[in-house]
Amino acid sequence: DAGITQSPRYKITETGRQVTLMCHQTWSHSYMFWYRQDLGHGLRLIYYSAAADITDKGEVPDGYVVSRSKTENFPLTLESATRSQTSVYFCASRTASLNTIYFGEGSWLTVV
Amino acid sequence: TQLLEQSPQFLSIQEGENLTVYCNSSSVFSSLQWYRQEPGEGPVLLVTVVTGGEVKKLKRLTFQFGDARKDSSLHITAAQPGDTGLYLCAGEPAGGTSYGKLTFGQGTILTVHP
Repeated sequence: DAGITQSPRYKITETGRQVTLMCHQTWSHSYMFWYRQDLGHGLRLIYYSAAADITDKGEVPDGYVVSRSKTENFPLTLESATRSQTSVYFCASRTASLNTIYFGEGSWLTVV
Repeated sequence: TQLLEQSPQFLSIQEGENLTVYCNSSSVFSSLQWYRQEPGEGPVLLVTVVTGGEVKKLKRLTFQFGDARKDSSLHITAAQPGDTGLYLCAGEPAGGTSYGKLTFGQGTILTVHP
C-alpha cells in the first residue's frame, strides 16, 4: 500500500529558479490538495483539484501553478522561487465520499 | 475566509497531567477534524466530529464538537511522553460545495516531560 508520496523530500534552490514538487497517490482519490506549513500559520491551502483537469485556487495561490492531467498525479510548480516560499509543502488526497484526508510526508523547500 | 483560532500555541506539561486544547471560530463547520503530526511527517487524522454536541473518545483523548458547530476541544487525560507532538484542528465549511477543503488552526505544540 504505497499511499501518497512526495518528491523530492528536501530541496534547496536559488531565488528565481523554477521548482516542481511532485505528488503521486495510488488510491485513485478524486480530490487532491497542496498545503504549505509555516510556524504560526498552521497549514494553508495553495491549490486543490476535484478531479483530473479540474483545479482551483486555495488561500495562498500566488507564485504557484498546478496541473492534473492524470488522477494520480498533482505536481506543484513554483515558477520563479522567492525566499518567502521557503516552507514545508504537503500534498494530500481524499475520496469524494469520505472526509478522511491523507497527507504525504512533506517536501522541505529552502529558497536561498 | 473562515478562520479557526487554536489555543494554546505551546503547551509544556509533566507526565500525568491533564490538558485541553481549544479550537474556536465564528463560522459554522459541517465537520471538524483533529490531527496529530510528528516531526518529519505529515498530519495523521485522529478523529472527525460532525454533529453539534458530539463527544468522541480515543483512549485517553476526548474530543468534543460545540453545539453550534463553531468550536471544538481536545482533552487529554494523564498525558504521557508519547503524546508529544503537534495537534491541529481543521474544519470543513458548512453549506455549498467545499470539495473537501479544510481550514486549519495554527496548531498546538505539546511537550510532555517524563
